[in-house]
Amino acid sequence: NAGVTQTPKFRILKIGQSMTLQCTQDMNHNYMYWYRQDPGMGLKLIYYSVGAGITDKGEVPNGYNVSRSTTEDFPLRLELAAPSQTSVYFCASSILPGQSTYEQYFGPGTRLTVT
Amino acid sequence: KQEVTQIPAALSVPEGENLVLNCSFTDSAIYNLQWFRQDPGKGLTSLLLIQSSQREQTSGRLNASLDKSSGRSTLYIAASQPGDSATYLCAVRPRDDYKLSFGAGTTVTVRA
Repeated sequence: NAGVTQTPKFRILKIGQSMTLQCTQDMNHNYMYWYRQDPGMGLKLIYYSVGAGITDKGEVPNGYNVSRSTTEDFPLRLELAAPSQTSVYFCASSILPGQSTYEQYFGPGTRLTVT
Repeated sequence: KQEVTQIPAALSVPEGENLVLNCSFTDSAIYNLQWFRQDPGKGLTSLLLIQSSQREQTSGRLNASLDKSSGRSTLYIAASQPGDSATYLCAVRPRDDYKLSFGAGTTVTVRA
């Protein structure tokens, strides 16, 4: 049982380049989330999904896009990379909220640098 | 908008000392509060989750308390060890939503 996996672990992009951060979970969780973590800051929610085919914006969605074609996968797309997108990106998943043991399971993160 | 604050940002203690980590939040209408551990280059690992109706939760050397009315939670780690060195984050889930609000974390160093 791998939990939440993310690829790549590290990436350096030039300004204006595009890339997709991959996230996969094998726990059959309906809910999935993308966060970014800047130095000295808490995690900020970028996008989330409540199930295949359903996505919604979080707190800081500008410059990103997502899709959710399957329960397992939730890729995050950066179309025109900017230095402000230099950050560590975390993917997470959870069962339906409202369960007494509700909690989010996190992947190991992708460290992205845009220069 | 929920604001979650963790003070201090960093803490260094000798091995064996008890750790006290603080988390404060501005909106007391919460569903639960969760403490996470983050190791360098790794994801977040859930340590304890306290429901809004609970006052505390315990797991081994870890104890977390919750005072919802004053908007505070405290994580106690007894008899600290070098392996406890990590960043500890708290996250609050509001009563009417399922999206978490995170604090910036407290980075702990336990000196051998």
